[in-house]
Amino acid sequence: QKEVEQNSGPLSVPEGAIASLNCTYSDRGSQSFFWYRQYSGKSPELIMFIYSNGDKEDGRFTAQLNKASQYVSLLIRDSQPSDSATYLCAAFTSGQNFVFGPGTRLSVLP
Amino acid sequence: GAVVSQHPSRVICKSGTSVKIECRSLDFQATTMFWYRQFPKQSLMLMATSNEGSKATYEQGVEKDKFLINHASLTLSTLTVTSAHPEDSSFYICSARTVTTNEKLFFGSGTQLSVL
Repeated sequence: QKEVEQNSGPLSVPEGAIASLNCTYSDRGSQSFFWYRQYSGKSPELIMFIYSNGDKEDGRFTAQLNKASQYVSLLIRDSQPSDSATYLCAAFTSGQNFVFGPGTRLSVLP
Repeated sequence: GAVVSQHPSRVICKSGTSVKIECRSLDFQATTMFWYRQFPKQSLMLMATSNEGSKATYEQGVEKDKFLINHASLTLSTLTVTSAHPEDSSFYICSARTVTTNEKLFFGSGTQLSVL
């Protein structure tokens, strides 16, 4: 079982819609969780981090964490074509390692 | 967020030459840095973990004599690709780990290596 799993996509949403990206992790002792955005040919950029159960909002982005279900999600409201990218979920595990999922490719259609 | 600088952003070299890539944490000290490589449309692949003042830890299948890592200070790690061959052509990315109560990982801008 992979430590961090994501649907590889592509996930296609129309412009203005809500994009919902999901991630599950296997290490129940993982302490913190991160979402990175990676444009094609560029390096990953940290866009959200969350440590506690519940929701965390930053502009159009909302990260959600459910430790009981070992589930993390990222919601992007009012999706724009510029949001089209690969989104990487990462967990900081009990082994003090950052473990990345394979990424979900998001395509926002104008 | 914290800034990680990576140079060069792009390098083209002849087969058999060596290439050095630098990764600097500009506004924080990073005792641990990581080196990744990524092929087009594929996931990040962790190559090695670089710890300041000690030998790097390489992932399985990564040749330590080919990919030399030096982490001589709290703000600088270097990756040298020795005797590069066309199959080493890839996107190399470094990242640095902040040492705070809640640790985070920030990435450099990446280096696109093309070996002719």
